Amino acid sequence: AQSVSQHNHHVILSEAASLELGCNYSYGGTVNLFWYVQYPGQHLQLLLKYFSGDPLVKGIKGFEAEFIKSKFSFNLRKPSVQWSDTAEYFCAGGATNKLIFGTGTLLAVQP
Amino acid sequence: EAGVAQSPRYKIIEKRQSVAFWCNPISGHATLYWYQQILGQGPKLLIQFQNNGVVDDSQLPKDRFSAERLKGVDSTLKIQPAKLEDSAVYLCASSLDLGGSGETQYFGPGTRLLVL
Repeated sequence: AQSVSQHNHHVILSEAASLELGCNYSYGGTVNLFWYVQYPGQHLQLLLKYFSGDPLVKGIKGFEAEFIKSKFSFNLRKPSVQWSDTAEYFCAGGATNKLIFGTGTLLAVQP
Repeated sequence: EAGVAQSPRYKIIEKRQSVAFWCNPISGHATLYWYQQILGQGPKLLIQFQNNGVVDDSQLPKDRFSAERLKGVDSTLKIQPAKLEDSAVYLCASSLDLGGSGETQYFGPGTRLLVL
């Protein structure tokens, strides 16, 4: 069955620390991958997405993710986090018209 | 550009009662999705419409859940009767074109349902 898994449920970092959130998917064939973010009190919004081409994808607010097909991974990275990055982050994937979400990672950035 | 609108934002009901949620997608978006997000989990797709037709409702508990999008614009999701395990946030999202997996979905603020 198709699935998306996120390894870290809670992450606590200090400002300026580097961030990497893990995401693995299980799909055969072509897959489209997304990272969504939900800031406190706000709705889900797209950070970045991959569906073809350059496996290194850059998104908003300095985030990037790398699609590594051999590892079935699409990890989210940011070299230096800010307090305003405190949010819940969801990885999602879809090989058909159905988007499957991971369970989310709650990131808390301490000032 | 106005985003996806949902109402109500919060709802508390007793089990066995019925409840309805409303969603108005972004203007011009052909595809509309309803998701259920239980606490501690990611959103799970319940139903997907393209215009006023159902594309995917394989995960909709049809014995108690129903949804419609009569004029291809706004949509309602109903639960009748509600169970305790239906307590969740119900998210509506829309996308511009045919609902293919590469499209960006735009989410509304959600309706938080508590069933007592």
